[in-house]
Amino acid sequence: NAGVMQNPRHLVRRRGQEARLRCSPVKGHSHVYWYRQLPEEGLKFMVYLQKENIIDESGMPKERFSAEFPKEGPSILRIQQVVRGDSAAYFCASSPLDRGGNTIYFGEGSWLTVV
Amino acid sequence: GESVGLHLPTLSVQEGDNSIINCAYSNSASDYFIWYKQESGKGPQFIIDIRSNMDKRQGQRVTVLLNKTVKHLSLQIAATQPGDSAVYFCAENYAITGGGNKLTFGTGTQLKVEL
Repeated sequence: NAGVMQNPRHLVRRRGQEARLRCSPVKGHSHVYWYRQLPEEGLKFMVYLQKENIIDESGMPKERFSAEFPKEGPSILRIQQVVRGDSAAYFCASSPLDRGGNTIYFGEGSWLTVV
Repeated sequence: GESVGLHLPTLSVQEGDNSIINCAYSNSASDYFIWYKQESGKGPQFIIDIRSNMDKRQGQRVTVLLNKTVKHLSLQIAATQPGDSAVYFCAENYAITGGGNKLTFGTGTQLKVEL
């Protein structure tokens, strides 16, 4: 958890509202990832982004979910018209250019509750 | 399809004993296997990783063993302490287009350390 900042840490939304989760990667990291964790389960890959580009979104639901990593500012995971099944912990991770399992740093997560 | 799973959902050990957490995987196309520790309300914390061309790696109080023949991974924690109580995940890491990494997580094992 070396410096990946996520906010908000906890978010409550009513069904049909929008949720916006923000992630600032470790300084100097150019790769950002979003993972979702349902209760009692492991993390599931959602999307991989670099600045201004979505590289791999194979884990993103086809509708209502979108992600961006603009040239300036944090990465945003946006969930439109939330439903109860969206309640989960959403983790952001970042890594530098070089590969390796120990270079992926996770944030503390954003816990979304849909009521 | 590919999957990473754990044999035991809950493991209880006495303080000072050694702990062994097991993991089975089905997809061989990866370059790293990683163990993460996740405490309640927090993000995954890197513990140790092992390249796919190795069969053993040691860290401080932890050892990871990789048996590619039977697609099995284990984490050994020596002299388990109360602070080791957490959920442990194995994850399979492989490189994806763009220079990034994709992690496939297992469902987790809850380690409980009894005093």
